Amino acid sequence: EIVLTQSPGTLSLSPGERATLSCRASQTVSSRYLAWYQQKPGQAPRFLIYGASSRATGIPDRFSGSGSGTDFTLTIRRLEPEDFAVYYCQQYGSSPFTFGQGTTLEIK
Amino acid sequence: QVHLQQWGAGLLKPSETLSLTCAVSGGSFSGNYWSWIRQSPGKGLEWIGEIHYRGSTNYNPSLESRITISMDTSTKQFSLKLNSGTAADTAVYYCARRVAMAGSGWFDPWGQGTLVTFSS
Repeated sequence: EIVLTQSPGTLSLSPGERATLSCRASQTVSSRYLAWYQQKPGQAPRFLIYGASSRATGIPDRFSGSGSGTDFTLTIRRLEPEDFAVYYCQQYGSSPFTFGQGTTLEIK
Repeated sequence: QVHLQQWGAGLLKPSETLSLTCAVSGGSFSGNYWSWIRQSPGKGLEWIGEIHYRGSTNYNPSLESRITISMDTSTKQFSLKLNSGTAADTAVYYCARRVAMAGSGWFDPWGQGTLVTFSS
């Protein structure tokens, strides 16, 4: 099973700043089969990014993903108030599909 | 667009069987895998398993001995049963779609979630 480790655990930033979230895999994620989700309290996760760098339908272009192999990054440029939430990465290159433990993006 | 609505018992006693159902609306049941995922404070998000629209299943080895995922294509519903529940199975359970297409493996959309608590 591929273990995904996200860092940092918590990121404190102000609106307008840039957020950089990391997701590291215990082994290579084949074909960049990595997704990102956003979750707010009391809600189901919201799908953001697939294929490591492609935005899902309706996701603002301030969200971008990059990376390959074992190291992946989600970048949110110019944070908006609604962006403060928990973010998860997920690999779908091999079963069982696994998620990272999450990064909490909080308002500084 | 596809919408998932789930339901099931929220409070169970240890050793009882968890049973949840998810109804698909607004889109096709075909061409997809229908998944269950759970989220607990201790283990985060955990993929439980899935059923292909043609009926084959794929389970997380960590839970495989205790789970059954089934479906009813006539009603566009799929279900999860987890037996011999313990406090460690207490979590919010989500149903979700995974498109059955090469290169596709993300989960979207998700159901609203059901909190299931195992407590005596």
